[in-house]
Amino acid sequence: KAGVTQTPRYLIKTRGQQVTLSCSPISGHRSVSWYQQTPGQGLQFLFEYFSETQRNKGNFPGRFSGRQFSNSRSEMNVSTLELGDSALYLCASTRTGDGGYTFGSGTRLTVV
Amino acid sequence: QQQVKQSPQSLIVQKGGISIINCAYENTAFDYFPWYQQFPGKGPALLIAIRPDVSEKKEGRFTISFNKSAKQFSLHIMDSQPGDSATYFCAAHVANAGGTSYGKLTFGQGTILTVHP
Repeated sequence: KAGVTQTPRYLIKTRGQQVTLSCSPISGHRSVSWYQQTPGQGLQFLFEYFSETQRNKGNFPGRFSGRQFSNSRSEMNVSTLELGDSALYLCASTRTGDGGYTFGSGTRLTVV
Repeated sequence: QQQVKQSPQSLIVQKGGISIINCAYENTAFDYFPWYQQFPGKGPALLIAIRPDVSEKKEGRFTISFNKSAKQFSLHIMDSQPGDSATYFCAAHVANAGGTSYGKLTFGQGTILTVHP
């Protein structure tokens, strides 16, 4: 059974640019959540999508957005990148969004 | 509050010893408590999880102890091995509540475990 796949694994962007990260959930999982992991703030919830609808959102600025496609694949976008956006971005999938979260290996974003 | 407090920040044990990591929570609505293991360059991997209707759950060398009245839970790793060296995160979730609970795990700050051979 394939796990959660995140692409790309590494990204280097310049301040002010925008970036799009991709997540393919486990087959049959319709809920995809996104998290930001930094040494200072730890793991913080960004948002969750289920059946192409955002059901929940964390305390991040509007520069962080996402979407989900009909095949449950999800993308997140960060616009106007800041140095503080440098982090490991993780996605997790579950069947319903109520437990049993499986994480991908993440995308390491570095903003210079 | 939605916080989960984890201790210690780092832990060093000898091979064969017992590793104990503790977490405390405030939100009594939490009803699903997983532990994750993370190796460098990898995402967190689910180790074991518990719901508050039981006080202990054991899977192999890993045991969760849960104290609902104290709002605390802990991970015990028996016979610790060098391969267990990783960062461990406790987390909490409000299951079956809809709305602002969907997809949202609240994580502790993590414990870096080092097991010396």
